[in-house]
Amino acid sequence: AQRVTQPEKLLSVFKGAPVELKCNYSYSGSPELFWYVQYSRQRLQLLLRHISRESIKGFTADLNKGETSFHLKKPFAQEEDSAMYYCALKAGGYQKVTFGTGTKLQVIP
Amino acid sequence: DVKVTQSSRYLVKRTGEKVFLECVQDMDHENMFWYRQDPGLGLRLIYFSYDVKMKEKGDIPEGYSVSREKKERFSLILESASTNQTSMYLCASSPVTTEAFFGQGTRLTVV
Repeated sequence: AQRVTQPEKLLSVFKGAPVELKCNYSYSGSPELFWYVQYSRQRLQLLLRHISRESIKGFTADLNKGETSFHLKKPFAQEEDSAMYYCALKAGGYQKVTFGTGTKLQVIP
Repeated sequence: DVKVTQSSRYLVKRTGEKVFLECVQDMDHENMFWYRQDPGLGLRLIYFSYDVKMKEKGDIPEGYSVSREKKERFSLILESASTNQTSMYLCASSPVTTEAFFGQGTRLTVV
């Protein structure tokens, strides 16, 4: 079975401080990992995926297979980063997508 | 731009009613998904479909069924709505190889 764990429900940081949103997964094969973001009153949208290895809006995430983690990081938080963040795993023969419980990021001005 | 459209933004239904939530995508994606989103519980997969007339149960299928008669349309059916099915319902579609694209959500209230 595939599972995604986001241990923090709420993360509050000051503007300009570093951000790390934690994500751990369990899956025996080679999954594909994603971070999705939902801004207030907007639909859920992709932020980044591990295959791309790119930085989006200053965020990066590295897949650590040894620790089965895919933490999301940003060196300097901005107010517009305040949103709900979900880690997701895509795996299996039918490419089922499983989400974590989400972390609300609150950036304090 | 990929469009995933859910037929209603808000719905209010009575306990015991049969409820249909419709979702349409315009990008010929193979996979479609229905999730419910609840505070503190995140997104939980109800059902997904990987082809026309094909479906798989997700993590919380009880009380729900689905229909996919055409590739672009995926319907979620609540056979007999109950108050514990009050939630935000999200539809998504994806090709096999890339990320999922989401609809705007349907907030269902069962009274």
